[in-house]
Amino acid sequence: DVKVTQSSRYLVKRTGEKVFLECVQDMDHENMFWYRQDPGLGLRLIYFSYDVKMKEKGDIPEGYSVSREKKERFSLILESASTNQTSMYLCASRPEGASYNEQFFGPGTRLTVL
Amino acid sequence: ELKVEQNPLFLSMQEGKNYTIYCNYSTTSDRLYWYRQDPGKSLESLFVLLSNGAVKQEGRLMASLDTKARLSTLHITAAVHDLSATYFCAVDDMEYGNKLVFGAGTILRVKS
Repeated sequence: DVKVTQSSRYLVKRTGEKVFLECVQDMDHENMFWYRQDPGLGLRLIYFSYDVKMKEKGDIPEGYSVSREKKERFSLILESASTNQTSMYLCASRPEGASYNEQFFGPGTRLTVL
Repeated sequence: ELKVEQNPLFLSMQEGKNYTIYCNYSTTSDRLYWYRQDPGKSLESLFVLLSNGAVKQEGRLMASLDTKARLSTLHITAAVHDLSATYFCAVDDMEYGNKLVFGAGTILRVKS
């Protein structure tokens, strides 16, 4: 079974803090994704990575950055957290070369910025 | 730009009843996915639909895809309480190979 884990289930931070969200997958997948989930908006893609040290902006990259130094790990960074970044953050992965784009999701991190 | 619209966004139904959730999308794609999310949990893959006319069934849920109409349906037969969850459809953006575009989700509550 594919396993995608995220470092924290719940996180509370203050405005202006630097926040790191970590995601690890154990299936040697090349592609990894960060989404945020908000009620009524579904999931929106923040960034994705198709290889180590490679990254691409998604639909809502503003205020976020990412890091992928190892294949299994993809980090989402909020340089200076703001209250409008309070959300559920979901990480996903999928293998390269798959004929379709089924993604496997981690348990999510619910981030509250005060 | 690919947009995905689900309706209804909220569905309250009695046990034993049938209902359908609709997923419309705006640009050409022949790959569509349905996910389920239980409260406080992550997304679990339900169905992968890869061609026009594809139909998949699992228990009381059946999903279908009409790529010409750009429409997928998720049909619930004789609903039971355990089906209460949020259901998302997601569509492959054919212009960007790695990108899935999600609908807003349908919150399903099955009342006994």
